[in-house]
Amino acid sequence: SQQGEEDPQALSIQEGENATMNCSYKTSINNLQWYRQNSGRGLVHLILIRSNEREKHSGRLRVTLDTSKKSSSLLITASRAADTASYFCATEGSGGGADGLTFGKGTHLIIQP
Amino acid sequence: GAVVSQHPSRVICKSGTSVKIECRSLDFQATTMFWYRQFPKQSLMLMATSNEGSKATYEQGVEKDKFLINHASLTLSTLTVTSAHPEDSSFYICSARDEEGFNYGYTFGSGTRLTVV
Repeated sequence: SQQGEEDPQALSIQEGENATMNCSYKTSINNLQWYRQNSGRGLVHLILIRSNEREKHSGRLRVTLDTSKKSSSLLITASRAADTASYFCATEGSGGGADGLTFGKGTHLIIQP
Repeated sequence: GAVVSQHPSRVICKSGTSVKIECRSLDFQATTMFWYRQFPKQSLMLMATSNEGSKATYEQGVEKDKFLINHASLTLSTLTVTSAHPEDSSFYICSARDEEGFNYGYTFGSGTRLTVV
């Protein structure tokens, strides 16, 4: 399965600042999801946005989706040291959940106290 | 919320031996589970889709005879790495989707760090 691209690959910001990560993908999708992974651990589902949605909020998270550009962004506002982790976007293809997820390459986010 | 339990979390084995990794959905039934592999500082790559009661579907380039998958019940899938070699050392993660879950996100196990020496 093809992988999407995420940028930046690494991002270091000061605590309290906003962090923006971008993701692009190549195929038609049902939905796009963002996950967080702390070093050497499993993935934590953050937010899901469906193909017919353009923006979604959850707490300090804001996700946008532009299906015409096949891209998405994740904004974390008022970052905290605990937000330090790798963030991955993942797409579920238009064939439904039977094919699993295709992951982007990830953004490693470091929040400096 | 949906919980997926994966174990062992860490295993070290000798070359040539086999290792079994278990993935259980604790509070929901999963007709389909997925197995991913992640090399250091890289993303997750789907290895195979595990289907309850039928054969697994493997991604291109993944040897089905080396990575044996069994999905004998709606709550358990196992991945057995047979005749392991050092290049099989990786982080293996399973996931399942709670079909009835509100947000239809996938739940991931905590992963298994396999080191083959």
